[in-house]
Amino acid sequence: DIQMTQSPSSLSASVGDRVTITCRASQGIRNNLAWFQQKPGKAPKSLIYAASSLESGVPSKFSGSGSGTDFTLTITSLQPEDFATYYCQQHHSYPLTFGGGTKVEIK
Amino acid sequence: EVQLVESGGGLVQSGGSLRLSCAASGFTFSSYWMTWVRQAPGKGLEWVANIKRDGSDKYYVDSVKGRFTISRDNAKNSLYLQMNSLRDEDTAVYYCAKYDSAGYYPHYWGQGTLVIVSS
Repeated sequence: DIQMTQSPSSLSASVGDRVTITCRASQGIRNNLAWFQQKPGKAPKSLIYAASSLESGVPSKFSGSGSGTDFTLTITSLQPEDFATYYCQQHHSYPLTFGGGTKVEIK
Repeated sequence: EVQLVESGGGLVQSGGSLRLSCAASGFTFSSYWMTWVRQAPGKGLEWVANIKRDGSDKYYVDSVKGRFTISRDNAKNSLYLQMNSLRDEDTAVYYCAKYDSAGYYPHYWGQGTLVIVSS
């Protein structure tokens, strides 16, 4: 099974900050990675697919990069509505696996 | 507008069974892979099962193999998860989600249904 390791597990940031979240796969997954945002009590929402492609309707402040085993999600100019938990998921091979999540909190 | 509405969750005793349903609308259901993902209280997301557009291929996480069955009825625009031999660790919110058109990732998610397994 491919293990997905996200870091950090949580971070505190201020409005206007830029934040970067990392996701590392235990083996190469090419660009078969998606990023999701989840707010408390809500369903996840897709942000990024194919490691770096922005989902339709998602603001360009979100960006993804990486290939192989190392991936990043970057959020620029953090706004109150961006405080949430973010997950990566590999869809390279079964079983599909998620990272443990990164909770972005207000400083 | 795409809509996915899960139902069938509730409180069940350990060892019992439950059938979850997901009613889909706003898109051509038979053209998309579908998935179930769960989230235990206060925990992260865990993929549970996938099913191909025509139902011919199904995939499961090891922890539910032999106990859960994913299925679909394209005529009824519905996705199902039959859950048998339920365990305490199956307690979670269960989300159904629609894949993107290429079948790569869960593109749109329902609001979820809560399953509580009590011993």
